[in-house]
Amino acid sequence: KAGVTQTPRYLIKTRGQQVTLSCSPISGHRSVSWYQQTPGQGLQFLFEYFSETQRNKGNFPGRFSGRQFSNSRSEMNVSTLELGDSALYLCASSPQGAGDEKLFFGSGTQLSVL
Amino acid sequence: GENVEQHPSTLSVQEGDSAVIKCTYSDSASNYFPWYKQELGKGPQLIIDIRSNVGEKKDQRIAVTLNKTAKHFSLHITETQPEDSAVYFCAASSSWGGADGLTFGKGTHLIIQP
Repeated sequence: KAGVTQTPRYLIKTRGQQVTLSCSPISGHRSVSWYQQTPGQGLQFLFEYFSETQRNKGNFPGRFSGRQFSNSRSEMNVSTLELGDSALYLCASSPQGAGDEKLFFGSGTQLSVL
Repeated sequence: GENVEQHPSTLSVQEGDSAVIKCTYSDSASNYFPWYKQELGKGPQLIIDIRSNVGEKKDQRIAVTLNKTAKHFSLHITETQPEDSAVYFCAASSSWGGADGLTFGKGTHLIIQP
């Protein structure tokens, strides 16, 4: 079974631009979560999607958004990029998205904002 | 919301010795405590987890203990090997309802000295 796939692997943008990251979950997994990882703040929960609906959201500004498609693939978008948005963005999938389910993480997209 | 503290931030041990990483959590509603290992250039990978109805769980060289009263849990790695070198994250969440997202500790960089 293929793991969680995230594209692109690396991305360089400038302040004010917007960016879209993509995540393909493990086949059969209906829940996709997104996390931001930085050296200072560690791993922080962005949001979780299940059956094309956002069920939960972390404490991030509205510039961070996402969506999920009928095949469970997910995208996240960051608009009006700021320098502080530079981070590794990780996507994780699980079968049902229950709080005590094992999460399977992708290798992440490394975003650099200049 | 939940807050997870993790110590130490860096741990260096001789190959063959044991390593212990400790975490505390704040929300008594949390009942699921996974540990993730992250190697360079990869996403976190679950290595062991424990639920609040269990005090200890072991899987070969890895064990986790949980003290609900004190709200702390620990990861124990025995007979450490070079491949154990990585960053380890503890996390906490509640299994009730949907995935509110894992709350992670800041991570421990484990270094195995040859």
